Amino acid sequence: SQQGEEDPQALSIQEGENATMNCSYKTSINNLQWYRQNSGRGLVHLILIRSNEREKHSGRLRVTLDTSKKSSSLLITASRAADTASYFCATDARNYGQNFVFGPGTRLSVLP
Amino acid sequence: NAGVMQNPRHLVRRRGQEARLRCSPMKGHSHVYWYRQLPEEGLKFMVYLQKENIIDESGMPKERFSAEFPKEGPSILRIQQVVRGDSAAYFCASSPPQGALAEQYFGPGTRLTVT
Repeated sequence: SQQGEEDPQALSIQEGENATMNCSYKTSINNLQWYRQNSGRGLVHLILIRSNEREKHSGRLRVTLDTSKKSSSLLITASRAADTASYFCATDARNYGQNFVFGPGTRLSVLP
Repeated sequence: NAGVMQNPRHLVRRRGQEARLRCSPMKGHSHVYWYRQLPEEGLKFMVYLQKENIIDESGMPKERFSAEFPKEGPSILRIQQVVRGDSAAYFCASSPPQGALAEQYFGPGTRLTVT
């Protein structure tokens, strides 16, 4: 698997449900970032979680980081149709000989 | 405070022509990154620059691609003699000078189509 690999590749849920996306990586990191990309648009930064943090919240978003398992999860609670987008995790490992690496993304579809 | 600006938003070039993509970082940001996103794929890092300095170009193809971030003006990603495979969305991001802990803010991207 590659650094910064999201799972699942695609996710389809009903409005109001929670959506969980996972990201795994291979090397030590400085921080991990989650981004959203609506179809045909640019990337929007969602959350940055540092390697010494375990959990972070922003509105309906909750990100966890487990450095022992080299994994992170993004939880979107009470999803809305407007949350339909691709979600990418990016690892910043510049202090460990790697530059930013993005995973292929998870395509989330929230059905009304 | 304006966000990261990229222009043009859409660029169409014929094979063999040159493409110039411009990126103006957010105010106060001195670091610029370029990424390429091929259709149906994730983003791939290309190059990391500070003012007048290329820090890391490990993701940049060895031929036809170059990038600069002059003391004055925007960062430029230049693709010479474009080929169909260069068709992609090119994103620029900027960050403040906080080293490894800085967040990156992305521009809207330039969609390059090579015909």
